[in-house]
Amino acid sequence: EVQLLESGGGLVQPGGSLRLSCEASGFSFRDSVLAWVRQAPGKGLEWIATFGGYGGSTFYAESVKGRFSLSRDTSKNTLYLQMNSLRAEDSAIYFCANSNPPLNYFDYWGQGTRVTVSS
Amino acid sequence: EIVLAQSPGTLSVSPGERATLSCRASQSLSSSFLAWYQQKPGQAPRLLVYSTSTRATGIPDRFSGSGSGTDFTLTISRLEPEDFAVYYCQQYGGLSWTFGQGTKVEIK
Repeated sequence: EVQLLESGGGLVQPGGSLRLSCEASGFSFRDSVLAWVRQAPGKGLEWIATFGGYGGSTFYAESVKGRFSLSRDTSKNTLYLQMNSLRAEDSAIYFCANSNPPLNYFDYWGQGTRVTVSS
Repeated sequence: EIVLAQSPGTLSVSPGERATLSCRASQSLSSSFLAWYQQKPGQAPRLLVYSTSTRATGIPDRFSGSGSGTDFTLTISRLEPEDFAVYYCQQYGGLSWTFGQGTKVEIK
């Protein structure tokens, strides 16, 4: 059974940093394409970043480019999202999702972790 | 970047009736890269349809997708109580993914 488990959310001050984790199980992590999708309170879904497959390519939305970065630890089957220079508008639930190549729809999702940026 | 506009914002429907949700793209996209999701309060989104018209595993056949070019549709043929939720379309292209703003299907 495919499972994605996010962690690392919390309250952080504007300008601060936070690292989210997405632990994956039930599929080949090394070959997987995993993404982060966020949802601000009462708002819709926003794709923000993808870590792509065996080659490890990364893609970012303009809203987070230069502030957020992806990495992974294949020994722990875990994808990380390092978030720096956080702003109030980054407050959201952050979901980890599996992107199914080559059609790139999101077929599995974690339950999300909440990030609140506030002083 | 391709922008997806969903309409209507809210759809009021009675159980047993048909619901038709629209997703319009700012430029033509491949039908292979258009998907639909359902989200209920406090839950993660659930994949319903991918490649415009292919139902995901376990999705009942009252859900159907269609369309091409810039206009795509999700139809729920007979609404069940568990279908009242928010629905999002999503596209992939140019190394980025985008979602529509969502359509809320509420009980009339």
